[in-house]
Amino acid sequence: AQSVTQPDIHITVSEGASLELRCNYSYGATPYLFWYVQSPGQGLQLLLKYFSGDTLVQGIKGFEAEFKRSQSSFNLRKPSVHWSDAAEYFCAVASSGGYNKLIFGAGTRLAVHP
Amino acid sequence: GAVVSQHPSRVICKSGTSVKIECRSLDFQATTMFWYRQFPKKSLMLMATSNEGSKATYEQGVEKDKFLINHASLTLSTLTVTSAHPEDSSFYICSADPTGTQNEQFFGPGTRLTVL
Repeated sequence: AQSVTQPDIHITVSEGASLELRCNYSYGATPYLFWYVQSPGQGLQLLLKYFSGDTLVQGIKGFEAEFKRSQSSFNLRKPSVHWSDAAEYFCAVASSGGYNKLIFGAGTRLAVHP
Repeated sequence: GAVVSQHPSRVICKSGTSVKIECRSLDFQATTMFWYRQFPKKSLMLMATSNEGSKATYEQGVEKDKFLINHASLTLSTLTVTSAHPEDSSFYICSADPTGTQNEQFFGPGTRLTVL
């Protein structure tokens, strides 16, 4: 069965520092992968997605993610974090039931220190 | 564009009562909407797929008689938690898949349900 693991429950970085949030998936075929951000009072917002093609995906707000099939990973990165990036981040994989049926990881809460 | 709203944002009810949560796509039509449940410090779990004009498809382990879903129009889906109990307390999130695209779904801000 498909699954998503986000090993880091909570990460704290200083503003301006680089960021990498880890995501590992379990899926038999080529996965459809997503990163979402959840801020209080707002719905989940799609940062980026990978369906096929270039394994380095650019998203909104300066985020990028790299699909590595050999490592079953889809880590999210940002070179310089802003205080407004503090939020909960979810990695997700589309299930075999359709690419709009998502299986989410447990999430990583990002705190940003000034 | 692509805004999804949920109402109410927060509800407290007594055990045994039923609660209805609305999910609306404000500026697009959605043949398909999804309902998720999010436990504290946990992931979102897909509960059911709501299809306009037909019965919802429930995920394994989700009681369809407990969580009634109605997708009456292309912009509205409702989730009714029937005979709510404290263990039903959770954060319920809907999403909507714009008709004809299936490349991205848009999420509502969620509804916090507390059952006393």
